[in-house]
Amino acid sequence: KAGVTQTPRYLIKTRGQQVTLSCSPISGHRSVSWYQQTPGQGLQFLFEYFSETQRNKGNFPGRFSGRQFSNSRSEMNVSTLELGDSALYLCASSSPSGEGDTQYFGPGTRLLVL
Amino acid sequence: AQSVTQLDSHVSVSEGTPVLLRCNYSSSYSPSLFWYVQHPNKGLQLLLKYTSAATLVKGINGFEAEFKKSETSFHLTKPSAHMSDAAEYFCVVSRVTGGFKTIFGAGTRLFVKA
Repeated sequence: KAGVTQTPRYLIKTRGQQVTLSCSPISGHRSVSWYQQTPGQGLQFLFEYFSETQRNKGNFPGRFSGRQFSNSRSEMNVSTLELGDSALYLCASSSPSGEGDTQYFGPGTRLLVL
Repeated sequence: AQSVTQLDSHVSVSEGTPVLLRCNYSSSYSPSLFWYVQHPNKGLQLLLKYTSAATLVKGINGFEAEFKKSETSFHLTKPSAHMSDAAEYFCVVSRVTGGFKTIFGAGTRLFVKA
């Protein structure tokens, strides 16, 4: 099976802009989670989608949003970018009905906000 | 409530010597426990997973971890370190019962000296 893919891999934006990141899960996986990784805060959970519904949400401001499509692909959007949003954004997919809660991660999108 | 504590932020070993990365957890439910590895500028790769089937879990690349409920620990070990093991390691606690929730430890960076 193909792994989790994320696009783009690298992105440079300026403050105030918005950005959309995309994640394609492993075929058959219906759960997609997003994480933000920074040197200072480590790995922080953003949100999780299952069957097009947001099932869990972390402690991030409303500028961070996401959605999931019927084919389980997911996007996350960050509006009004701030310098502190520079991070590696990781997507993970899992199949709760198949392999429990094991998450498989994509390579990440590295976002730099100038 | 769930939490996970990786007791060492950095561990340094010589090539060929044993590796021990320590992780303590707390969970109100029977958790699933994981170890992931992240090489520089890469996504997270699953090393191994505990889901109550066996307390000693064998993973990839010679790693294994032992679940000790009485000590609430899930330490990661490897008998002989290799240079390629140099990376950051994350202990993760997750549960599905009562809602999907995943918490990452702060990470332990492993250095391997020649």
